[in-house]
Amino acid sequence: GAVVSQHPSRVICKSGTSVKIECRSLDFQATTMFWYRQFPKKSLMLMATSNEGSKATYEQGVEKDKFLINHASLTLSTLTVTSAHPEDSSFYICSAKQGAGGYTFGSGTRLTVV
Amino acid sequence: DQQVKQNSPSLSVQEGRISILNCDYTNSMFDYFLWYKKYPAEGPTFLISISSIKDKNEDGRFTVFLNKSAKHLSLHIVPSQPGDSAVYFCAASATVGGSNYKLTFGKGTLLTVNP
Repeated sequence: GAVVSQHPSRVICKSGTSVKIECRSLDFQATTMFWYRQFPKKSLMLMATSNEGSKATYEQGVEKDKFLINHASLTLSTLTVTSAHPEDSSFYICSAKQGAGGYTFGSGTRLTVV
Repeated sequence: DQQVKQNSPSLSVQEGRISILNCDYTNSMFDYFLWYKKYPAEGPTFLISISSIKDKNEDGRFTVFLNKSAKHLSLHIVPSQPGDSAVYFCAASATVGGSNYKLTFGKGTLLTVNP
């Protein structure tokens, strides 16, 4: 079945630094990729939707300059958390969609900003 | 405004019994519904889905029921097994331009199946 690989699974960084999270579709071409953030005891909150080769569409309240999304190819999307602060600490999950097919999720990245 | 609601944050059942997880939605444009299972520190894994043209879909121990008039769906797991213990998310999407688009998730229900 479709597999989405997300790296790193866990990262700790210092305040003010930037962190890049990668999401790769391993055996299919993902026309659309989604980035979610999960707060404790809350649902998965969609942050942005990206289509290959075009700018990401951000959800209301998500700072596009802080959460940079690049979808350079049909198999890779990256989320860069710039100038990270402790409040950015969260669990980030990507999802890839192949055309009219279903959604496949990555295994998530636990970001801790200290 | 929460468009997908899972009003029970947790549910506990005995092994072998039926687990019923409920989900309500408010957006009448939603036409595709999915259930995901999630373990801590992992991404969600797809369980089962249903299109709005159906009212039931079954896959092994998992059955999803959709009541469009009530804007309600439920996931039945029978028989429940200890390995089913996880957080279950209900998700919905609307068809835009001929294809399903972004998913809207509920807050999840923590299911605990006791041996």
